[in-house]
Amino acid sequence: DTEVTQTPKHLVMGMTNKKSLKCEQHMGHRAMYWYKQKAKKPPELMFVYSYEKLSINESVPSRFSPECPNSSLLNLHLHALQPEDSALYLCASSRAAGQHFLVDTQYFGPGTRLTVL
Amino acid sequence: AQTVTQSQPEMSVQEAETVTLSCTYDTSESDYYLFWYKQPPSRQMILVIRQEAYKQQNATENRFSVNFQKAAKSFSLKISDSQLGDAAMYFCAYRSAIGGATNKLIFGTGTLLAVQP
Repeated sequence: DTEVTQTPKHLVMGMTNKKSLKCEQHMGHRAMYWYKQKAKKPPELMFVYSYEKLSINESVPSRFSPECPNSSLLNLHLHALQPEDSALYLCASSRAAGQHFLVDTQYFGPGTRLTVL
Repeated sequence: AQTVTQSQPEMSVQEAETVTLSCTYDTSESDYYLFWYKQPPSRQMILVIRQEAYKQQNATENRFSVNFQKAAKSFSLKISDSQLGDAAMYFCAYRSAIGGATNKLIFGTGTLLAVQP
């Protein structure tokens, strides 16, 4: 089973709203990722968690706040977003093994289509 | 820094025919992984095939196969007996085999494949 689930599928929010995206996997993976993808472009890495600890932050604005409550769940909290933040947000997971935590295949969820008005 | 280049922004193939998508990459590393991901209109990124650089044998997954030319730094994807469901954006991706915080998936810009009935 290589399933990564994401909720909601679609989200529309105003610039003053606070919302959260949720990602879940039950494959025993210990590395989880958030990507942002604009139309017809490749995904751009935002954050990486390894063993529930933030390992990589690709200089993402603080209006995006990730959280990893446990090994199966990854959240992305959104606050005061801008219209240019409208995009598809993809979650992915992979196995992790110590310092080689990124040396494995990433499996992606279906994404959340975010629209900021 | 590693780069991945997909020189074909769009391609088209007739149903049941064979098509080859090209990918080249640049790296000074000797050990790495290469991937082809498919992203259909539903937007979920799906792993198609994976190749370890240390393996000389080309990877194959049913109708999908790769032509991995390490010296030429080329990694093309061949789709045989094309089906309507193969229509999607295809991303080539590179990842170093060395673990650590700087290890990331590096995507090409994608090739949009259309399948004509």
